[in-house]
Amino acid sequence: GAGVSQSPRYKVAKRGQDVALRCDPISGHVSLFWYQQALGQGPEFLTYFQNEAQLDKSGLPSDRFFAERPEGSVSTLKIQRTQQEDSAVYLCASSLWDAYQPQHFGDGTRLSIL
Amino acid sequence: AQSVTQLDSQVPVFEEAPVELRCNYSSSVSVYLFWYVQYPNQGLQLLLKYLSGSTLVKGINGFEAEFNKSQTSFHLRKPSVHISDTAEYFCAVSHYDKIIFGKGTRLHILP
Repeated sequence: GAGVSQSPRYKVAKRGQDVALRCDPISGHVSLFWYQQALGQGPEFLTYFQNEAQLDKSGLPSDRFFAERPEGSVSTLKIQRTQQEDSAVYLCASSLWDAYQPQHFGDGTRLSIL
Repeated sequence: AQSVTQLDSQVPVFEEAPVELRCNYSSSVSVYLFWYVQYPNQGLQLLLKYLSGSTLVKGINGFEAEFNKSQTSFHLRKPSVHISDTAEYFCAVSHYDKIIFGKGTRLHILP
């Protein structure tokens, strides 16, 4: 498609379960970003890929969070042993080259941990 | 460290009236600044960006913003709002390989 696609749009999981969130960036976009948006807050940076290389993962809140982009296109954000505080909207964005260029956002995955 | 402060969490304004959404940033280096809009249950859409050059930046949907280096501000303005402008607006600043977002301002359009 023409835009950034995220799946699933909604995910409900029980505390302790593992979840995987998928992001399909715009074709040809080199950079891919993951953000976490808590209710009523602005997005907060999680991690950044340039092609398949994860150049910055400083925003990942704990070692339960893991992201990959093995072929430099689709990316997966995995959260292990989910906790209630992981409930948020997870946004993916891509840009043609780097963070100084406009980022194109997907509609996000709303994760609810029961 | 860079940060962004959006001074108003909510701004009510009558339809067809002008509006200004305030944003201040802190940075020790030159910055790139952005305004994004988020409609309910959607991702963020770029309204406008300041990278360099003219301090008055025009964006989509009739919005514009003015970069003021001395006041470290990047306020967003629109001369006449429409009901369709109801949304959350985020100011953001670049920081190396990431973008730092403010907490957002919710724009309420009153009939």
